[in-house]
Amino acid sequence: SQQGEEDPQALSIQEGENATMNCSYKTSINNLQWYRQNSGRGLVHLILIRSNEREKHSGRLRVTLDTSKKSSSLLITASRAADTASYFCATDKGGNNRLAFGKGNQVVVIP
Amino acid sequence: GAGVSQSPSNKVTEKGKDVELRCDPISGHTALYWYRQSLGQGLEFLIYFQGNSAPDKSGLPSDRFSAERTGGSVSTLTIQRTQQEDSAVYLCASSFGQAEGYTFGSGTRLTVV
Repeated sequence: SQQGEEDPQALSIQEGENATMNCSYKTSINNLQWYRQNSGRGLVHLILIRSNEREKHSGRLRVTLDTSKKSSSLLITASRAADTASYFCATDKGGNNRLAFGKGNQVVVIP
Repeated sequence: GAGVSQSPSNKVTEKGKDVELRCDPISGHTALYWYRQSLGQGLEFLIYFQGNSAPDKSGLPSDRFSAERTGGSVSTLTIQRTQQEDSAVYLCASSFGQAEGYTFGSGTRLTVV
């Protein structure tokens, strides 16, 4: 799982399988966001879940948030080779108004 | 523009030289952020601009780093007297403001030799 002090995690799966990755954080948040990064360049925003939400869907993505455990998960269903990327969670604590990013989960989808 | 534009996409510079990195955010986005990412690492926050407010410079690693945002639009990140440890991908992002997703540029890969 991601959190500020952990090394990036790597996940290798077969195309068509589901991929799940986790993120933990330490302080109260306003929202939590997931991003995807291909080839070490710009990140793409995937989904934002607010602190009063528990689950959110977007296409093949499902995000859960457990504020009591200070954790979130991202599920990619029916993975495709194009899903190969690094996935980052980021927390918005409010107040200072900028996101804090985890170190990322590398996902490799094998065709 | 349609997205966040950063230039140059790649920059190789000699140690000790100054570099300027440019970011052109999405029109209408009031917030602009600079992060940097070393190889295989997460994103390190550098500086944040919100509208006409004083920027949050709390992430700048040393006084060799500075940034400005002119007219509430284009931003320039300047690194003076570059060092090898400055080598990284510098990412710019913009957003409508609080509690919104960021739109990132493709980054500038800086290599100090």
